[in-house]
Amino acid sequence: NAGVTQTPKFQVLKTGQSMTLQCAQDMNHEYMSWYRQDPGMGLRLIHYSVGAGITDQGEVPNGYNVSRSTTEDFPLRLLSAAPSQTSVYFCASSSRQGGYTFGSGTRLTVV
Amino acid sequence: GENVEQHPSTLSVQEGDSAVIKCTYSDSASNYFPWYKQELGKRPQLIIDIRSNVGEKKDQRIAVTLNKTAKHFSLHITETQPEDSAVYFCAAGYSGGSNYKLTFGKGTLLTVNP
Repeated sequence: NAGVTQTPKFQVLKTGQSMTLQCAQDMNHEYMSWYRQDPGMGLRLIHYSVGAGITDQGEVPNGYNVSRSTTEDFPLRLLSAAPSQTSVYFCASSSRQGGYTFGSGTRLTVV
Repeated sequence: GENVEQHPSTLSVQEGDSAVIKCTYSDSASNYFPWYKQELGKRPQLIIDIRSNVGEKKDQRIAVTLNKTAKHFSLHITETQPEDSAVYFCAAGYSGGSNYKLTFGKGTLLTVNP
């Protein structure tokens, strides 16, 4: 039982490049979310999903896309990276009983 | 949408003292209130949570209280130890059925001085 697995752990992108942050969970959790963490800003919700095929926007969705084709996977796509997207990204999953389990995070730098 | 305010932003206590962190939320529909601890460079980890049908919950040195009328909830840590030093986040959200998302406070940096 690996929990929530995020890849990569570190990434440097040039402005305008696109990439996908991977997230997978093996706990059969229905709920999954992506958060970004910036100094002094806490954890801000980007997108979330309540089940396969269902996604919705969070607080800061612009510049990001998600899809949920399976229960296990919830990738986050950056369409055209900007320096403002430099951040630490956390994926999290939860059952209906609540309590998110977080992945180890991806530290992204956009230059 | 939900808005969560967390205070204080920094808190310094002596080992053995108690620490209290307070949060307020805006959406009366929120029914789930977890607290997370994040050590430097690590992921947030759930330490305790409470649902809206409960007023207080304890787990060893940690307790959480909820006042639904005033829309605020608090984390209490007793007999603090240096290993309690971390950033603590409160969160609020609705958990149930086809909807579940959490809104986090901005965090409290707790320092426990030996």
